[in-house]
Amino acid sequence: GAGVSQSPSNKVTEKGKDVELRCDPISGHTALYWYRQSLGQGLEFLIYFQGNSAPDKSGLPSDRFSAERTGGSVSTLTIQRTQQEDSAVYLCASSLMGPGTEAFFGQGTRLTVV
Amino acid sequence: QQQVKQSPQSLIVQKGGISIINCAYENTAFDYFPWYQQFPGKGPALLIAIRPDVSEKKEGRFTISFNKSAKQFSLHIMDSQPGDSATYFCAASTGNTGKLIFGQGTTLQVKP
Repeated sequence: GAGVSQSPSNKVTEKGKDVELRCDPISGHTALYWYRQSLGQGLEFLIYFQGNSAPDKSGLPSDRFSAERTGGSVSTLTIQRTQQEDSAVYLCASSLMGPGTEAFFGQGTRLTVV
Repeated sequence: QQQVKQSPQSLIVQKGGISIINCAYENTAFDYFPWYQQFPGKGPALLIAIRPDVSEKKEGRFTISFNKSAKQFSLHIMDSQPGDSATYFCAASTGNTGKLIFGQGTTLQVKP
């Protein structure tokens, strides 16, 4: 597909389990973002990968959250020992490098921790 | 310093009316101000964007007004339609990082 692809679209997990969320960005896009959107809330910045630079991890809420981007393409967001407050929609976006470029979002992964 | 504040949180407008959403920012290094539109179950999509060297940008029924001295910008939706009912987010970024910082969002309902 031509757009940003996220998988799974929905994930239900038990409290304390680890989860991995995947993002396939648009081909050629060197910038990749992860955001979290809680029910009825705004977009909370989590992490930003920009080309070969060190990622901006300033938005990760705790050390249970981590993300990596392999080969400058696919990214995985990992949440360890999930808690109920981690329940949210996790959105990935990608863009070309450079100022003022449009970020394209995926449809998100809805995570429910029970 | 990185925050973008958006208001109102929710807005109800009659069909044909004007919808106005406001945003304010603190970081004077921001140089790109997009607005995103999000429908339920979908990811946000770019609607319109502006740079601080212009005070207004219009695309169809959508207009951004930008006030650099006040560090504020707003989205105006003219002749609002029920199909415009969605959540709208303002955002800002700086050229050297490109990292988008979003406002809290405004849920718009246009009544027929």
